[in-house]
Amino acid sequence: KAGVTQTPRYLIKTRGQQVTLSCSPISGHRSVSWYQQTPGQGLQFLFEYFSETQRNKGNFPGRFSGRQFSNSRSEMNVSTLELGDSALYLCASSPTDALEKLFFGSGTQLSVL
Amino acid sequence: AQSVTQLDSQVPVFEEAPVELRCNYSSSVSVYLFWYVQYPNQGLQLLLKYLSGSTLVKGINGFEAEFNKSQTSFHLRKPSVHISDTAEYFCAETPSGSARQLTFGSGTQLTVLP
Repeated sequence: KAGVTQTPRYLIKTRGQQVTLSCSPISGHRSVSWYQQTPGQGLQFLFEYFSETQRNKGNFPGRFSGRQFSNSRSEMNVSTLELGDSALYLCASSPTDALEKLFFGSGTQLSVL
Repeated sequence: AQSVTQLDSQVPVFEEAPVELRCNYSSSVSVYLFWYVQYPNQGLQLLLKYLSGSTLVKGINGFEAEFNKSQTSFHLRKPSVHISDTAEYFCAETPSGSARQLTFGSGTQLTVLP
């Protein structure tokens, strides 16, 4: 069974641009969560989707948004990029709406110049 | 609000020595607790989890952790470490009644020395 797949693996953008990251969950998983990892702030929860509905959102500005498609694939978008958005963005999927079986992808490393 | 404290940011230890990575949580409600490991340039891999039942939890790669409700702790232990255990370790929690997001600690870098 394939794991959680995140694309692209690396991304370089400049300030003011926007970016879209993609996440394909494990087959059959309906919940997808996103986390931001930075050296200064550590791992922080962005949002969680289940069956195309956003059920939970972390404390991030509105520039951060996401969505989930009917096949459970998810995308997150960051508009008007800032230097501080440079981070590893991790996606995780779960077969249920609980977190006992949460599987993480390898992440997308975003660098904002 | 929940918070997780990992008391040591870096832990160096010699190969084949025992190790304990400390984790304390602050939630007053019933929680699920997790330990994840992250190798360089990779995502997080679940080592073990406590949901309920026995307070001693065994995980992969010879790791175990003990849930102590009175001390609100969930320390990770391994009796004999290997070079390959060098990685960053994260403790995390979520309220058991609404397990929708994880709150992570700041991480502990374990470095195993030859």
